[in-house]
Amino acid sequence: EAGVAQSPRYKIIEKRQSVAFWCNPISGHATLYWYQQILGQGPKLLIQFQNNGVVDDSQLPKDRFSAERLKGVDSTLKIQPAKLEDSAVYLCASSRRTSGGGELFFGEGSRLTVL
Amino acid sequence: RKEVEQDPGPFNVPEGATVAFNCTYSNSASQSFFWYRQDCRKEPKLLMSVYSSGNEDGRFTAQLNRASQYISLLIRDSKLSDSATYLCVVKPSGGSYIPTFGRGTSLIVHP
Repeated sequence: EAGVAQSPRYKIIEKRQSVAFWCNPISGHATLYWYQQILGQGPKLLIQFQNNGVVDDSQLPKDRFSAERLKGVDSTLKIQPAKLEDSAVYLCASSRRTSGGGELFFGEGSRLTVL
Repeated sequence: RKEVEQDPGPFNVPEGATVAFNCTYSNSASQSFFWYRQDCRKEPKLLMSVYSSGNEDGRFTAQLNRASQYISLLIRDSKLSDSATYLCVVKPSGGSYIPTFGRGTSLIVHP
């Protein structure tokens, strides 16, 4: 079974530029998550999708971040304009179900450096 | 108070030692609990779920104390390969079932 795919693996941009990350979850997984992990910290949830609907985006900085999951499969996360504090690893995860003990499967992450 | 709190460490232990980590959570409605392992510059991976009665997987034992709102992870006979960051994850029983991660506890096992 193929894992969660993310691209690009690395991205370096200057502040105020824009960037987009792509995620393809494990086939059949209804729930998709985007997490932000800053060095030395645990992953922080940005947005959670159930199929193509948003379950929670309360911690997404909506003035600069946006995310979509068209057709309930692939997802993109966009940052525009980027700030220095957005430097982090952006992790996409998927799970078969939302409730109960559904395991999260993570992609390798997209490492963003904002100069 | 943070939703999920962990001592960041690092815990520096010799091979063969026994080491334990605790994780406290603030939401009493939390229902599901997990330990994830994250190697340096890698993605988190599930180590084990934590059940109410406690559970064991080889050298690893997880415990849940609902009254005091904490979970623990015990590693016996530490190996060099156990060196990693251990992330505590808590999910509530209702609402949007958001998995919340702690900041992780760093373990370094030395020869």
